Amino acid sequence: ETGVTQTPRHLVMGMTNKKSLKCEQHLGHNAMYWYKQSAKKPLELMFVYSLEERVENNSVPSRFSPECPNSSHLFLHLHTLQPEDSALYLCASSQDGRGTSTDTQYFGPGTRLTVL
Amino acid sequence: AQTVTQSQPEMSVQEAETVTLSCTYDTSESNYYLFWYKQPPSRQMILVIRQEAYKQQNATENRFSVNFQKAAKSFSLKISDSQLGDTAMYFCAFMNSIGEFGDSGGGADGLTFGKGTHLIIQP
Repeated sequence: ETGVTQTPRHLVMGMTNKKSLKCEQHLGHNAMYWYKQSAKKPLELMFVYSLEERVENNSVPSRFSPECPNSSHLFLHLHTLQPEDSALYLCASSQDGRGTSTDTQYFGPGTRLTVL
Repeated sequence: AQTVTQSQPEMSVQEAETVTLSCTYDTSESNYYLFWYKQPPSRQMILVIRQEAYKQQNATENRFSVNFQKAAKSFSLKISDSQLGDTAMYFCAFMNSIGEFGDSGGGADGLTFGKGTHLIIQP
């Protein structure tokens, strides 16, 4: 599956570092999403972008900062993270993000983040 | 807020058997979508099947089918003739329908996931 790609696949960072996760979709979609998957917890929606505008932010701490420069690219900027932020971060995209019948979300392979 | 519950943390069956994974959800909405996703050890989340709540007919996709009971808010997944490659985490997910059926507003909506069921297919 190469429709949604994420880089890097693995990232280890200290609490004082600044890093960014990148997501790119090659499906011509207009909506993109960030999810966090922690051990023994359901996937949690973090951010939603539709047509490059943020439409939802599920009360995510400000140490996570998303950026969507165009409909194909989505970034998650990380700074001063905590060890409990260690998780798998999944990116997804969908056709138009309006809950229509075509609006299935397709996921990337994820970035495994470890915060020391 | 919607919630999705998967009551089976782990299941194990023999190859070629049929297995059913359960999922219940809670919502006050009448129009929505339900999904089953599969996450193998590679961690890639893969769509298995999708059901629109306004459709009475249960969705099927080859060996995968669902039993959608809207009144009971139940959405189980049946896997027939199970194969070793079906071994994975299976997640049930819910999404509101926005911008369709004459609803006001628009914009994207995320998925609400259950905690998942770890399905193991034994040879």
